[in-house]
Formats: sequence, C-alpha cells, structure tokens
Amino acid sequence: GAGVSQTPSNKVTEKGKYVELRCDPISGHTALYWYRQSLGQGPEFLIYFQGTGAADDSGLPNDRFFAVRPEGSVSTLKIQRTERGDSAVYLCASSLTPASLYTGELFFGEGSRLTVL
Amino acid sequence: QKEVEQDPGPLSVPEGAIVSLNCTYSNSAFQYFMWYRQYSRKGPELLMYTYSSGNKEDGRFTAQVDKSSKYISLFIRDSQPSDSATYLCAMSHLIQGAQKLVFGQGTRLTINP
Repeated sequence: GAGVSQTPSNKVTEKGKYVELRCDPISGHTALYWYRQSLGQGPEFLIYFQGTGAADDSGLPNDRFFAVRPEGSVSTLKIQRTERGDSAVYLCASSLTPASLYTGELFFGEGSRLTVL
Repeated sequence: QKEVEQDPGPLSVPEGAIVSLNCTYSNSAFQYFMWYRQYSRKGPELLMYTYSSGNKEDGRFTAQVDKSSKYISLFIRDSQPSDSATYLCAMSHLIQGAQKLVFGQGTRLTINP
C-alpha cells in the first residue's frame, strides 16, 4: 500500500484479555518500529525490527508485551493479560534503511487505539 | 526528569503570526534533531530534520539547534490555519542512529483565522 496500515483502528477489551495489533509497513521498508502514545504525551519507543529480527526491544514495558515480524514485512504486537494502564494509541512506523537511517524519517501509521476497561 | 522536555501548550495565535516552539534536553549524546507534526487522530509526519548544531530553513519553517544550551526551536512564519496541529520534537543519538527516537510531549498549536 501507499502508507503504513494498522489494524484494528480501535480496540476495546476487558482487563485480563489478550490483544493483537497488526502493522503492514510500506512495501520495501526493512525497518519497522512500534511506539506507544498515551493521551497528551509524545510517542514512546517500544521495539525496533530490522528485517525479521528484533534489533532493539528495550522499550517493551514488561513480559506481557511481545512483537513478531516472521517474514520481514507484517508485524504483530501482542499484549497478554491487558491492564487499564495499557490503554493508549499504539503507533507503527517503517523506514527505508540505510538511506533514511540518519534522517529521522519514520513513516507512521494512524495507530491502533486500545482501550482496556 | 524526562530526557526531552517540551511545553505542552496549548498555544493559540492569530493567522499570520510567527510561532516559536521549543524543546530542551538533557542527554548530550543526542546528535539528530527532528520536528514532527501530528494532526488529530493521525500519525506523526516528519517536518524538519537537523544534524548537530545550526539552522535549517524549509519554506515557512526554520529549525534551530543549540547543542551548547541543549535547546532546539522550530519557527513558523506567516502561520496558516492549516498549521494547527500538535508539534513534536524528537531526537536520537549517534550509537543508535535514527532507530530509536525520543520524543517530547508535544505542543498543541492552534492558528486562528
């Protein structure tokens, strides 16, 4: 597609449930990132993939969060035993590396808005 | 203390005004400085990118970086209602390149016709 696509756009779940959020990056972009944006805050880094492997997962808050990118394209962010504090917009971004490695240009999707009741 | 501090505003100015947006940071390792614009319920989009200290101009937008003061600015000249958005500063450091951006809180800007 023309841009980064994220599904679902909105997800409401109950505390303790399992959630999967999907990201389809721009075709040809090898780098993929997940960020989390709480209300009134800037995005916070969660994890970065270069190809199929997680190159940096230092931003994942705890072991309830996990992300995969098995074929180096689509990625899924998985959240187990959701808590109310997980409510946020989960943003996915991709970039064309190495050309954009130092230009700061990440192409963001519109996000998946997660609400945990 | 957060690594990047940004006044959340909100900031409201009349059309045509010059707007100044600012961020301060504490990590002297930051080398790459960016401004992203985020419209309501949309993802951020890159507006300006600067490496190290100095100025960069792009149309009505000017980005300034003062590494000695750990202070960056974005100026918008002849502001338009379409500039109304949240402006996020972001930065990263040399070791990690652009993979891991640290964002400010964002400043919500409204340009009134």
